[in-house]
Amino acid sequence: GAVVSQHPSRVICKSGTSVKIECRSLDFQATTMFWYRQFPKKSLMLMATSNEGSKATYEQGVEKDKFLINHASLTLSTLTVTSAHPEDSSFYICSARAGTGMNEQYFGPGTRLTVT
Amino acid sequence: GIQVEQSPPDLILQEGANSTLRCNFSDSVNNLQWFHQNPWGQLINLFYIPSGTKQNGRLSATTVATERYSLLYISSSQTTDSGVYFCAVGTGANSKLTFGKGITLSVRP
Repeated sequence: GAVVSQHPSRVICKSGTSVKIECRSLDFQATTMFWYRQFPKKSLMLMATSNEGSKATYEQGVEKDKFLINHASLTLSTLTVTSAHPEDSSFYICSARAGTGMNEQYFGPGTRLTVT
Repeated sequence: GIQVEQSPPDLILQEGANSTLRCNFSDSVNNLQWFHQNPWGQLINLFYIPSGTKQNGRLSATTVATERYSLLYISSSQTTDSGVYFCAVGTGANSKLTFGKGITLSVRP
C-alpha cells in the first residue's frame, strides 16, 4: 500500500517552454501533497504544499508564477514549470499524506528535468 | 525554522558490520521519518517514528523526542544497504518535512 507515482520520470525540454509533472497517489486518497526539489548530492528542499481544492502554499523564495501547482483531486497533483530555463534543471519529487492526523509521507520516484 | 543535523556525513563499512546513524533536531516535532534514497533517486520509507522504538528486520530506530534526537541502527550490513540515508522531521498542522543533509553509507564486500 501507500504507492505514489510520478510522470514523466525524465524529461528534456528547450528553454522557454513549459513542462507539466504529474503526481498520483495510487492506493489512497491524499488530502495533502508536497513538492520538493533536489540538486545533485544535496538534500531535498520543500517547494510547496498543496491541499486538495485549495491554493498551494509556497515556501519562501519559490516563485508561484513559475512553479504552478494544481491539486484538483484527492489522487492527483500537478507541477508545471513555466518558461523553463537551464537553472530549473533539477530532480523534482512529490510526496503525499493520507489525511489529517496521518502524518507519514510517501514519496514518488521523482522526475529528472533537463532544460537545454 | 527547525534545524536537522545528521551525523556522520559519510560512513564506510565492511559487509557484516553494524552501524548507528544519528539525527538531531532543534524543536518539537509531530513527524519523524527515516528514508533510504536508492541510486535511482527513489526515497524508500524506512520508519515513521516521531517517538519510541521500532524494528524491521536488520533495521531499527529509536526517537527520544524529549531530547530531540533519533537513531537508526543497521545490523549485519549488506552491500545493498549502500546509499544515502535521510532523516526528516515534520512540524505544524500540515506536518511539512524538513530534511537533514543525509548520510552517505558505503558497504564494501
